[in-house]
Amino acid sequence: EAGVTQSPTHLIKTRGQQATLRCSPISGHTSVYWYQQALGLGLQFLLWYDEGEERNRGNFPPRFSGRQFPNYSSELNVNALELEDSALYLCASSPGRKNSPLHFGNGTRLTVT
Amino acid sequence: AQSVSQHNHHVILSEAASLELGCNYSYGGTVNLFWYVQYPGQHLQLLLKYFSGDPLVKGIKGFEAEFIKSKFSFNLRKPSVQWSDTAEYFCAALMYSGGGADGLTFGKGTHLIIQP
Repeated sequence: EAGVTQSPTHLIKTRGQQATLRCSPISGHTSVYWYQQALGLGLQFLLWYDEGEERNRGNFPPRFSGRQFPNYSSELNVNALELEDSALYLCASSPGRKNSPLHFGNGTRLTVT
Repeated sequence: AQSVSQHNHHVILSEAASLELGCNYSYGGTVNLFWYVQYPGQHLQLLLKYFSGDPLVKGIKGFEAEFIKSKFSFNLRKPSVQWSDTAEYFCAALMYSGGGADGLTFGKGTHLIIQP
């Protein structure tokens, strides 16, 4: 089966711009999670979508937002980019059932200059 | 606040040495536990998971982990490491409250280097 796919693989933006990251979950998976992997900070939970609704949100400012589409794909939007937003953004999907592990994509490397 | 702590940020071992990576979580309720591995240049992969039942779980590539509820721990072990085990290892916990799962919480990771 095809895994979780993310696009683009690399994204370079300047401070103040907006970035849009995309994620396609594994077929049949209804839950999508977004994580930020910044250097030295490990993986930090950003957002969780299930069945088109935001289920939970991590400790990030409102300029981090997203949505999930009817086909369960998802977008992560980061507005007013700051230098410290430079990180690997990982998307993961799961079937949405309790006790289901997450399957991760390869990530989008966002660089803010 | 719920959290996951990994004790060692960097571990260097020689091939054939035994490995134990520590992981503790802070949450008194229902919890599912995971270990993920990220090999250089690759995406995160699930090593093993604990949901319930036997607290000693076996995963891929000879890894195992033991859930000790009284210690809030889920340490990862491997009796004899190989050079190919060089990677970043993440412990994660899915903690359930009344409203359902609160999202997967990750530790900061342990960078494991195996010297040939």
